[in-house]
Parts: sequence; structure tokens; C-alpha cells
Amino acid sequence: NAGVTQTPKFRVLKTGQSMTLLCAQDMNHEYMYWYRQDPGMGLRLIHYSVGEGTTAKGEVPDGYNVSRLKKQNFLLGLESAAPSQTSVYFCASAGQGATDTQYFGPGTRLTVL
Amino acid sequence: GQNIDQPTEMTATEGAIVQINCTYQTSGFNGLFWYQQHAGEAPTFLSYNVLDGLEEKGRFSSFLSRSKGYSYLLLKELQMKDSASYLCAVLDSNYQLIWGAGTKLIIKP
Repeated sequence: NAGVTQTPKFRVLKTGQSMTLLCAQDMNHEYMYWYRQDPGMGLRLIHYSVGEGTTAKGEVPDGYNVSRLKKQNFLLGLESAAPSQTSVYFCASAGQGATDTQYFGPGTRLTVL
Repeated sequence: GQNIDQPTEMTATEGAIVQINCTYQTSGFNGLFWYQQHAGEAPTFLSYNVLDGLEEKGRFSSFLSRSKGYSYLLLKELQMKDSASYLCAVLDSNYQLIWGAGTKLIIKP
């Protein structure tokens, strides 16, 4: 039982490049989330999903897209990376609702030059 | 706007007790979470309070006062492994989690 996994763990991009971050969970959770964490700030929600085939915008969705084609996977895409997107990205999943505990992946450290 | 306030950093001694405060102003309230985050790692769940009062779980306790918009996390018998950041998060009226910036707790021998 791996819990929540994220791929890759580290990535360096040049401005304008694109990439996809993969999040996978094996707990059969309905809810999945993508956050970014920057120094001195709280976790900020980028996008989330309440079930397979659904996605919704969070607090800071601009510059990102997501897809949830399979229940266990939640993908975060950056179409044209900018230095302001340099951050640590965390994926999380939760069972059935927003009041359920969120389980986090180990994070992806992204640097955009 | 929505706001979660926590002290940036606290220092305590091994074996002692420390209280980490969190005050919040949010649009609605559907519960408050505390998470622990060691440096370079993912946050892990500590507690969830939705009703007023104290919830005790081993060495950790969490208190909530909804009328005051206030919570605290109490850590007893501090151990070196408790050195971490402690994140307070409130579930607002839209069931979105609003996160504080976290309190970095430093434990000294």
C-alpha cells in the first residue's frame, strides 16, 4: 500500500517549457487535490477533483490545467512554465468528502529558470 | 478576505509543554485541522475539531473556540522528533481548506 505517490520528485524547466506532474493514490479515494507551497505562505489550492472525470478550480488555478481520467490518477500540467511557478507541489487525496483527512504525497520540487 | 494567523516560529525545551495558537477569520466554518510537516516532507494529519472544546490524542491535544475564532495545539513531553512545522487549516463555507503559513517549532535539548 503505497498511499499517495508523485512523479517526478525534482524538475528544472526553462521558461516556456511544458511538463506534467503525475499523482497516484491506491486508497480508492474520491477526492484529490493539487497544492503549491511557497516559503512563508500557507498551502494554496490549485485545482481539485471530487471524483473520476471531474475537476474544479482552486485558489490559484491560472497557468495550470488538470485531468482525472482514472480515479487513482490526478495530473497537473504546466503548458508554458514561468519563474513564478517555481515552488514545491503537493498532491493529496481524501476519502469521501472535504471533512475527511487529506493524505499527502512526498512533493515535487520544481524550479523554472 | 480569509485569514489564518499563527506565530512564525517558536522554541521550546525537550520534555516541556508548548502551545501553538491559531486564529482565523473565514467565510463560514466547517472544521479546523492541524497537520505536522517535517522539513522537506509532506504534511501529515494530527487532529480535526468541529465542535468547541478539547480533543486529546496521546501527547497532542487540540482546542477549539468557534465564537473566538481560535484554536491551539498543545504538545506535552516534547521530544526532539517534534521539531517540525505545524499547520493550521480551516474548512470554509465552500468546504475549501484555508491554510495558515505554519509555525516552525524548534526543540532544544
